[in-house]
Amino acid sequence: GNSVTQMEGPVTLSEEAFLTINCTYTATGYPSLFWYVQYPGEGLQLLLKATKADDKGSNKGFEATYRKETTSFHLEKGSVQVSDSAVYFCALSESYGNKLVFGAGTILRVKS
Amino acid sequence: GAVVSQHPSRVICKSGTSVKIECRSLDFQATTMFWYRQFPKQSLMLMATSNEGSKATYEQGVEKDKFLINHASLTLSTLTVTSAHPEDSSFYICSAPTGQTQYFGPGTRLTVL
Repeated sequence: GNSVTQMEGPVTLSEEAFLTINCTYTATGYPSLFWYVQYPGEGLQLLLKATKADDKGSNKGFEATYRKETTSFHLEKGSVQVSDSAVYFCALSESYGNKLVFGAGTILRVKS
Repeated sequence: GAVVSQHPSRVICKSGTSVKIECRSLDFQATTMFWYRQFPKQSLMLMATSNEGSKATYEQGVEKDKFLINHASLTLSTLTVTSAHPEDSSFYICSAPTGQTQYFGPGTRLTVL
């Protein structure tokens, strides 16, 4: 079946540091890939998405590229802020509007 | 963006009682909604797919008689945890798709004493 593997956290960075959160997936077809963010005490919000190989999703300074050859969708940000502290989930879906398969989530803590 | 609400946000109940959780899409219609369960410091696990006008589709290992799902209208799905026990304590989250995006509710924290 489909699955998503994320790097374990927590990840602790200083403000303005470079962020990478690794995500790899296993899927039988050609899924859509997503990054969701969950801020403390809030629900999940879509951060970015990519629907086909070599697509790059980007939002709020975050970006991730759909790499079919390495089955990866790593999340990056050039300069993190304290306000980026949250839990980040990588997820895949066989098709839009369909159920999501989530990775375990990675806690990010940014210190000032 | 679209808004999905859940009610209640927190509920504490005694073992053996039933608890109903509502999920509403506030500004769009959804023929399908999804129910997830999130354990502390763990990821979201899909429990079931709620289908308006038909039976829900449950994931393997989820007891359909324990977790009753009703998709009463195009904007409302309910999850009823029947005869709740302490091991059912968890964070329950619903989502609804519109366009090319799924929107999530804020979640319901269930504590069974």
